[in-house]
Amino acid sequence: DTGVSQDPRHKITKRGQNVTFRCDPISEHNRLYWYRQTLGQGPEFLTYFQNEAQLEKSRLLSDRFSAERPKGSFSTLEIQRTEQGDSAMYLCASSLGWDRNGYTFGSGTRLTVV
Amino acid sequence: AQSVTQPDIHITVSEGASLELRCNYSYGATPYLFWYVQSPGQGLQLLLKYFSGDTLVQGIKGFEAEFKRSQSSFNLRKPSVHWSDAAEYFCAVGASSSNTGKLIFGQGTTLQVKP
Repeated sequence: DTGVSQDPRHKITKRGQNVTFRCDPISEHNRLYWYRQTLGQGPEFLTYFQNEAQLEKSRLLSDRFSAERPKGSFSTLEIQRTEQGDSAMYLCASSLGWDRNGYTFGSGTRLTVV
Repeated sequence: AQSVTQPDIHITVSEGASLELRCNYSYGATPYLFWYVQSPGQGLQLLLKYFSGDTLVQGIKGFEAEFKRSQSSFNLRKPSVHWSDAAEYFCAVGASSSNTGKLIFGQGTTLQVKP
């Protein structure tokens, strides 16, 4: 068990560019969650997958955002035509079912849009 | 709708002093409640959780929290704070009536520890 891995740790991009983040969950975990955390705030739910199915998306996830989990293992979060307001920490978490022990979070990807 | 309020944005305590971080939630049924800790630039680590049963729950690193239904609160406590406890603390609520596992987080409380 190597925990939840996120790549890259930091990303600086120019406004209007596309970016993609990757999350590798704990191998036996079938649920994967994406959260966004802006400075001084708690994490906000974006979306979650059970295996490869995306079961819920937040209204925060605009049309410029898309997430996939093609084989029920790793997941990607893509942001198209980035805006300065997209600057945030993007956190991934995984769990086995509705694991009442809580998620295991990754260390996050810090996105800065300049 | 669920919500979580952490009234204290920033708290400073002396090393060795006791600590209490406040958390109030809004949820129509019995919630699932969590406390997470986040060090700078890192992800979140689960400290403790409440689902049912004993309202006083013990967690890691010497933390405990008490669920008080009448006050809609789930305050985090530690009898003696160590310098390494300096971090940001988040309270979160999950819906017991839902199977999504989605959590609603509070704004967070930053803990500073004075030597």
